[in-house]
Amino acid sequence: DQQVKQNSPSLSVQEGRISILNCDYTNSMFDYFLWYKKYPAEGPTFLISISSIKDKNEDGRFTVFLNKSAKHLSLHIVPSQPGDSAVYFCAAVPAGGTSYGKLTFGQGTILTVHP
Amino acid sequence: GAVVSQHPSWVICKSGTSVKIECRSLDFQATTMFWYRQFPKQSLMLMATSNEGSKATYEQGVEKDKFLINHASLTLSTLTVTSAHPEDSSFYICSASAGTDQPQHFGDGTRLSIL
Repeated sequence: DQQVKQNSPSLSVQEGRISILNCDYTNSMFDYFLWYKKYPAEGPTFLISISSIKDKNEDGRFTVFLNKSAKHLSLHIVPSQPGDSAVYFCAAVPAGGTSYGKLTFGQGTILTVHP
Repeated sequence: GAVVSQHPSWVICKSGTSVKIECRSLDFQATTMFWYRQFPKQSLMLMATSNEGSKATYEQGVEKDKFLINHASLTLSTLTVTSAHPEDSSFYICSASAGTDQPQHFGDGTRLSIL
């Protein structure tokens, strides 16, 4: 049972445009969400996170939006750069645990940003 | 900062042998280390959580006698795949956290191929 889903396996965007990566979850016990970026042959790198008490968190070119009623979150990258090309994973943490423990990952979305 | 080193990055071995994978936090003390497994085109699945000096906590469906985890120091955890078989072939990745309110930092993973 996939509790965190990234339904788009890939996304292709032109440099300078906005990239929108989507993630849906089914477990209402999740209350903290993270986005990781992964290059080939490397481990995931933490990008940005959001608590369920917020609906938006922004860090430079990266903004994460959370819609709790829809159990949906999205990562916006603007403007997109070729160096952003990587696999993006969303991950969720249940309430009651440590803030960063017991991550449940989505399947990942391959983002390709064309020059 | 927050570098996690995983070794080896790639290993091929015969069926029936045991394989040890090391995970080291290079510039911080990791009170908690996590071991994940990723099959092709699937998400990272948490296998077990280990705290320094105590027994690992395994996720449901993960055989603790098959996947031996040792977290003997604050900078080193090892995963030993015992009597490995072809179905154990996968990508194994560790992460380390400096505390319950600290993010997980990932190693670059180990590609294990059992012939």
